[in-house]
Amino acid sequence: DTAVSQTPKYLVTQMGNDKSIKCEQNLGHDTMYWYKQDSKKFLKIMFSYNNKELIINETVPNRFSPKSPDKAHLNLHINSLELGDSAVYFCASSQVFGQANSYEQYFGPGTRLTVT
Amino acid sequence: SQQGEEDPQALSIQEGENATMNCSYKTSINNLQWYRQNSGRGLVHLILIRSNEREKHSGRLRVTLDTSKKSSSLLITASRAADTASYFCATGNTGKLIFGQGTTLQVKP
Repeated sequence: DTAVSQTPKYLVTQMGNDKSIKCEQNLGHDTMYWYKQDSKKFLKIMFSYNNKELIINETVPNRFSPKSPDKAHLNLHINSLELGDSAVYFCASSQVFGQANSYEQYFGPGTRLTVT
Repeated sequence: SQQGEEDPQALSIQEGENATMNCSYKTSINNLQWYRQNSGRGLVHLILIRSNEREKHSGRLRVTLDTSKKSSSLLITASRAADTASYFCATGNTGKLIFGQGTTLQVKP
């Protein structure tokens, strides 16, 4: 009965590799997000999708490419990984897009990416 | 630039004591949210307070909002060891939440 799930939970890889993180929500929400949390716990939004349509792209390098095959799934593909990509990546969903601060967001457990 | 900033960055108290965390923000808001993050976990929504509200309660949580000072506080009463976590405030508009860096709370048994 997990609401927002992500796979994998841990990802260790070398610089230059390409990797993907998958996210699924079973809450029936229209909007999904990707966040990056750095080592100082600073959480920053990367992307937001509403009904499979990209709404927010927060000046993220184009090595990061989100894909939403349907509104319950939002995957994140990262090309040519760099050391600075090491972080915890969180997927989240919310009921309605628009006034984001009017609706609570449900977060996945996170994927800890380590680039060596 | 970052919207919400929490203060203090870290707080250590004994079980049973109250914990107060503050959040300041820079622009006008419609609502403000508080989230908790346990170590190694995702964020969990605690409470949302609207800009026309001054205080809101949920169990042992009490949130206040002062829009004139652009600040909010989260009070956890009668803290428990299980309250040990990081607490974040979040504000935003049109599609995105902006989080502060959080207050790390340690409750010692």
